[in-house]
Formats: sequence, structure tokens, C-alpha cells
Amino acid sequence: NAGVMQNPRHLVRRRGQEARLRCSPMKGHSHVYWYRQLPEEGLKFMVYLQKENIIDESGMPKERFSAEFPKEGPSILRIQQVVRGDSAAYFCASSPLKPGGTNYGYTFGSGTRLTVV
Amino acid sequence: AQSVTQLGSHVSVSEGALVLLRCNYSSSVPPYLFWYVQYPNQGLQLLLKYTTGATLVKGINGFEAEFKKSETSFHLTKPSAHMSDAAEYFCAVSDQGYSTLTFGKGTMLLVSP
Repeated sequence: NAGVMQNPRHLVRRRGQEARLRCSPMKGHSHVYWYRQLPEEGLKFMVYLQKENIIDESGMPKERFSAEFPKEGPSILRIQQVVRGDSAAYFCASSPLKPGGTNYGYTFGSGTRLTVV
Repeated sequence: AQSVTQLGSHVSVSEGALVLLRCNYSSSVPPYLFWYVQYPNQGLQLLLKYTTGATLVKGINGFEAEFKKSETSFHLTKPSAHMSDAAEYFCAVSDQGYSTLTFGKGTMLLVSP
């Protein structure tokens, strides 16, 4: 059973380009979360999705960032017109369960490291 | 709002010495608490978690943590450090029944021979 798969592992974009980060959750997991890790910082929540629904996007910047989790295929985090401040590691996590409950927990992917030049 | 404070951005120990990584949290409701480890250029791996029940939680690789409600703490310990323990460690909190984690800024554990 493969873990949470993220690709690409490393992505370099010039300022103004678009970045697309992909996340395939573990088999059977229908809850996906995106977190961003800036240098010297812990992870910050961005968005929580279920299939075809955005449940909580309170951590997403208001502009240029969007996320989706279609019925088929991976979850996509899209950053339009990237700027240097978007350089960070972006982690995806998935869970089979609704939030809550003693068995609740995430599995994290290895991340996509975005560098904007 | 929840928050997590990890005291010390870097902790250095000798191989075989006790490891103690500190974590204090604030939460308006009973929390779920987690410790994750991150090796260079890798994702986060769950070490252990507290949800309910016994306040002393044992995790992988010989680590354990104790939930102390009165001190709002969830410190991570290991009796004897190994070189392979060198990594960054993150404490995180979530509300029971809610999905998102609030992370501390992390503590880099350095282990010397």
C-alpha cells in the first residue's frame, strides 16, 4: 500500500509562472490536507478537502492560491503568478477518517519543494 | 485559537544521553497532541499521539511523551539517544473533533558521538 505520493519532489518556477503541485492520497483515504512549511517555521495549515469539496480553506492566501480534489485523480494545489515569497515546502496529508475520534491521524507525503527564482 | 510553543530551536545531546524536547500548548478545549519527526528532505512521520486515556504515551523508536494538563505540556523524552535520532521534531495540537493541526516551530535534535 503506497503512502501519500506527492509530485514533483522539487519544482523551480520563475516569478510570474504557475506552479501545480499534485498529491495522491493513500488508497482508501478521502480526506486531504495541504500544509506549507516556510524556512525556520513549522507547518501551517492551508486547506482541507474531501472529494469534490473544499471543507476548510481558512489558511489559504486570498489571492493566487487554489486547491481541488476531483472525483478522479489527485488533489492539486495551484499557485498562479508565483512570487519569491511562495518558495517553501508544501506537504500533503491524507486521512481515512472524519476528524475526531481516538484513531484519527494523518499520513504525510514527502513534500514538494518549490523554489521561485 | 490554539498555539504550540517548543522551547529551544536546537537541542544537542551526546549519544546515550537522555533526550528531552519541550512542548507547551494552549487550547480552549481538551486537545489531541502529536509529535512528528522530520528527516532532511522528507515528510513528517508520526512518533506518537495523545487522544484520551493514559497520559503517558509510548511511540516508535523508544520515544514517549506525557500529557500534563495542569502544566499544559507534552514533553517528548527518550532515555538514550542514538545517532539516528538526529532530525527535526515537531509538536502539534488539534481540537478533538476537528481536523487541522497547529504546529510548533520545531526543535532540531543534534546527537554527537
